[in-house]
Amino acid sequence: ILNVEQSPQSLHVQEGDSTNFTCSFPSSNFYALHWYRWETAKSPEALFVMTLNGDEKKKGRISATLNTKEGYSYLYIKGSQPEDSATYLCAFIGGSQGNLIFGKGTKLSVKP
Amino acid sequence: EPEVTQTPSHQVTQMGQEVILRCVPISNHLYFYWYRQILGQKVEFLVSFYNNEISEKSEIFDDQFSVERPDGSNFTLKIRSTKLEDSAMYFCATRGEVIGSEQYFGPGTRLTVT
Repeated sequence: ILNVEQSPQSLHVQEGDSTNFTCSFPSSNFYALHWYRWETAKSPEALFVMTLNGDEKKKGRISATLNTKEGYSYLYIKGSQPEDSATYLCAFIGGSQGNLIFGKGTKLSVKP
Repeated sequence: EPEVTQTPSHQVTQMGQEVILRCVPISNHLYFYWYRQILGQKVEFLVSFYNNEISEKSEIFDDQFSVERPDGSNFTLKIRSTKLEDSAMYFCATRGEVIGSEQYFGPGTRLTVT
């Protein structure tokens, strides 16, 4: 059974704090690793699609790294803002049909 | 920006009733998925669909579930006889040609079975 784990489950930080989350996934049959940002009552929105070992991607204050050999990815948020409050989902693709296997998510709350 | 839409946003039904959840994919996407999230649990894969047939399904997707794309636009998920445990948020997602490419999610349908 393919399992994707995320930690921490929830995180409360002050505006301006930097933070990071972890996603662990199976290290075999790797196709891709996705990070999604999910705000309440909205569609999950892709942040990063990562495919190569050693990938590092950045979008504004948010960045992610990928290690496919050991099966983990980190998501970093620099200088958190209240609008960063959301659930961050990690999803692994381990098969040719592309279906996503999700972690439980990390719920981030940023206080002004 | 193109988006995936889903209807209805919320559906309340009685146990044993049939429900149909609808999704309009992004127009040039050919790969379609249904996922669901039971409250407090992980988002789970249900089924993938390509070229008018199911390409993969999970253990959850039993004989009570079916999918089709009847008119070339809408992509539907039917639950024939709903159970209490089918209560969840159901998401449709679509993607382009590349296997690992971004999936675009709809806003979801919240199904409540009473």
